[in-house]
Amino acid sequence: GQNIDQPTEMTATEGAIVQINCTYQTSGFNGLFWYQQHAGEAPTFLSYNVLDGLEEKGRFSSFLSRSKGYSYLLLKELQMKDSASYLCAVKDSNYQLIWGAGTKLIIKP
Amino acid sequence: KAGVTQTPRYLIKTRGQQVTLSCSPISGHRSVSWYQQTPGQGLQFLFEYFSETQRNKGNFPGRFSGRQFSNSRSEMNVSTLELGDSALYLCASSEGPGSPLHFGNGTRLTVT
Repeated sequence: GQNIDQPTEMTATEGAIVQINCTYQTSGFNGLFWYQQHAGEAPTFLSYNVLDGLEEKGRFSSFLSRSKGYSYLLLKELQMKDSASYLCAVKDSNYQLIWGAGTKLIIKP
Repeated sequence: KAGVTQTPRYLIKTRGQQVTLSCSPISGHRSVSWYQQTPGQGLQFLFEYFSETQRNKGNFPGRFSGRQFSNSRSEMNVSTLELGDSALYLCASSEGPGSPLHFGNGTRLTVT
């Protein structure tokens, strides 16, 4: 079967750095997405990785290793507004998105 | 550009009834996907439409159906509602395969 694993919940301190991991086992790979979802709101697109390596976008970076079936989202200089769920999703060989259950990130002052 | 619009935002139905949810994608987006989200669960894929054709379908019973119109607007229908159908239903549009999804604010369905 197809599977995406991410930690259920993480806690970090304002101003610090946090890394959210995602491992996947899918039938084929056509890209990996990270989305942010605040409570009661729709998910919003953060990043897209299709080749190995690091993609940096401001305070957020996303890394992919296709050989290891592994990605992480790195958030720097954490702000209280970063408290949200972070969703990892992989497009399989049929271009269907397979979603992880999400990681709830709690930021403490 | 206007974002993805879903109507209604909230809906309360009783068991056995049927419901239709509507989604208007971002202008120019021809792909529309539907998802069910429940507390503690990841997004569960329902179906994807592209140019009025269902391209992919998730593992949901036949009570869940959808369609897409020539203007790319999409509707989702759930018949014979069950208590377990209570969830947030999200619609997302994209330009095509490999493009990021843009989500609407969802329709929160409560079945009593």
